[in-house]
Amino acid sequence: QKEVEQNSGPLSVPEGAIASLNCTYSDRGSQSFFWYRQYSGKSPELIMFIYSNGDKEDGRFTAQLNKASQYVSLLIRDSQPSDSATYLCAVTNNAGNMLTFGGGTRLMVKP
Amino acid sequence: GAVVSQHPSWVICKSGTSVKIECRSLDFQATTMFWYRQFPKQSLMLMATSNEGSKATYEQGVEKDKFLINHASLTLSTLTVTSAHPEDSSFYICSAPQGQVQETQYFGPGTRLLVL
Repeated sequence: QKEVEQNSGPLSVPEGAIASLNCTYSDRGSQSFFWYRQYSGKSPELIMFIYSNGDKEDGRFTAQLNKASQYVSLLIRDSQPSDSATYLCAVTNNAGNMLTFGGGTRLMVKP
Repeated sequence: GAVVSQHPSWVICKSGTSVKIECRSLDFQATTMFWYRQFPKQSLMLMATSNEGSKATYEQGVEKDKFLINHASLTLSTLTVTSAHPEDSSFYICSAPQGQVQETQYFGPGTRLLVL
């Protein structure tokens, strides 16, 4: 079983819709959870992080964390074609000093 | 957010040559930096952890004699791909952690290596 799992997609949503990206992790001791966006040919850029159960909102993005279910998600409201990218879920280890990445979910927002 | 730079952004070299890639934290100090490799349509794979003032820690399956890492200062780590071969062609990305309240990894722009 992979440590951090994501559906590879592609996830296709129409412009203006809500895109929901999901991630599960296996290490119950994981402390912090990150969502990165990676455009083709570019390096990952941080969207947001979350470390407490519940929701965290930043503009059109909402991260949701459920440690009991070992589940973290990212919602993108009012999706735009420019949101089309691969979204990487990353989880820190118990010591909090190393990231483990999921395989990424490719999101396609169609005009 | 914090800024991490990499140089060069593109390298094309002949098989058998060595290539050095630099990773710099521009506005903060990093005692630890991470080196990743990404093949087309695949996820990031951690290669090694670069530690300032001590030896790098390599992930399983990564040849330490082939991928030499030197963390020369608190703002610079270098990755040298020795005797590069076509199968080493990949996208190499470094990251550095920064943050007092919540340590976050910031990525460099990456270096694309093509070995002919």
